Amino acid sequence: NAGVMQNPRHLVRRRGQEARLRCSPMKGHSHVYWYRQLPEEGLKFMVYLQKENIIDESGMPKERFSAEFPKEGPSILRIQQVVRGDSAAYFCASSPPAGINEKLFFGSGTQLSVL
Amino acid sequence: AQSVAQPEDQVNVAEGNPLTVKCTYSVSGNPYLFWYVQYPNRGLQFLLKYITGDNLVKGSYGFEAEFNKSQTSFHLKKPSALVSDSALYFCAVRVGNQGGKLIFGQGTELSVKP
Repeated sequence: NAGVMQNPRHLVRRRGQEARLRCSPMKGHSHVYWYRQLPEEGLKFMVYLQKENIIDESGMPKERFSAEFPKEGPSILRIQQVVRGDSAAYFCASSPPAGINEKLFFGSGTQLSVL
Repeated sequence: AQSVAQPEDQVNVAEGNPLTVKCTYSVSGNPYLFWYVQYPNRGLQFLLKYITGDNLVKGSYGFEAEFNKSQTSFHLKKPSALVSDSALYFCAVRVGNQGGKLIFGQGTELSVKP
């Protein structure tokens, strides 16, 4: 049973370009979370999705950031017109639908570097 | 507002000695607390959680954590540290009433020297 898969592992973009980060949850998991880790900081919650639904996007910046988790395929975190401050490690996590206190399974992250 | 604090950026211990990584929390209502570990260039791995019940929670790799309601603490402990325990440790609290949305502490770098 493969774990949470994120790609790419490293993504380099120039200012103004778009970044697309992909996350495939563990098999059987229908809940996906995106977190951002800035240097010297802990992880910050961005968004919580279930299939075709955004449940909680309270951690998402108001502009340029969007996320989706379609019925088929991976979850996508999209950052438009990237700026240097977007440089960070972006982690996806998934959990089964069984209970709200289930542990999260994290992917290895995508390191986004904006030049 | 709910929050988690890890007062130590770094903890250094000698192999074989006991270790403690500190965590305090501030929540409204019952706390649901977690510890995760992050090895270099990897995602976080679950260590243990406290939901209810015994205040001493046992987890993976010989780690345990003690929930102390009066001190609002959830310190991570291990009786005998290994060099391989060297990693970044995060305490977290669940927020909201659905899903696994967590607020993480800033992390504590544990270094175990031979």
